[in-house]
Amino acid sequence: KNEVEQSPQNLTAQEGEFITINCSYSVGISALHWLQQHPGGGIVSLFMLSSGKKKHGRLIATINIQEKHSSLHITASHPRDSAVYICAAPLGNDMRFGAGTRLTVKP
Amino acid sequence: GAGVSQSPSNKVTEKGKDVELRCDPISGHTALYWYRQSLGQGLEFLIYFQGNSAPDKSGLPSDRFSAERTGGSVSTLTIQRTQQEDSAVYLCASSLEGLASYNEQFFGPGTRLTVL
Repeated sequence: KNEVEQSPQNLTAQEGEFITINCSYSVGISALHWLQQHPGGGIVSLFMLSSGKKKHGRLIATINIQEKHSSLHITASHPRDSAVYICAAPLGNDMRFGAGTRLTVKP
Repeated sequence: GAGVSQSPSNKVTEKGKDVELRCDPISGHTALYWYRQSLGQGLEFLIYFQGNSAPDKSGLPSDRFSAERTGGSVSTLTIQRTQQEDSAVYLCASSLEGLASYNEQFFGPGTRLTVL
């Protein structure tokens, strides 16, 4: 069992829809990263959060450390949001990654 | 300002050859990370340098892999006697401080390694 699990694995949405991607982890961590990998392969860090909620533009990330769960939300989705979204948890001298959620937003 | 850079961007090599991949982190970043992403697979953590501390090498896939970071800046990842299963994109990232400080990581564009 992977220590960091994401759902769904694939997600297709129509432009304008509200998107939710979930990340659950079985290890004790104090913070979690959300990353975005573009179709060309480049990776961008979206959020690093240790509690509560963070917002950046149309992106919102929440985390509940006690419940070991984090969500990434995209409001008013757009085709340019199409990418793979990855959650990652630092653990000691290591990073544990979810398998990623491939999001496709259709116009 | 300059981001994380990696070289080469692409490397094609023959099985059994040694390869060296280079990463230039953002100036002032004390932490540097190497990751690997095989085709169609997720990210895999390889090794992490924090300042001048000796890195934890337990994430390296085999003893053919080694990494060093000179002067707390540039890092090289060396793969000896490459095998076809080493084919992947090798990504480097840096952050202002280490994992325990939960800093944002900045990723380089990666080196795509193909072992024939």
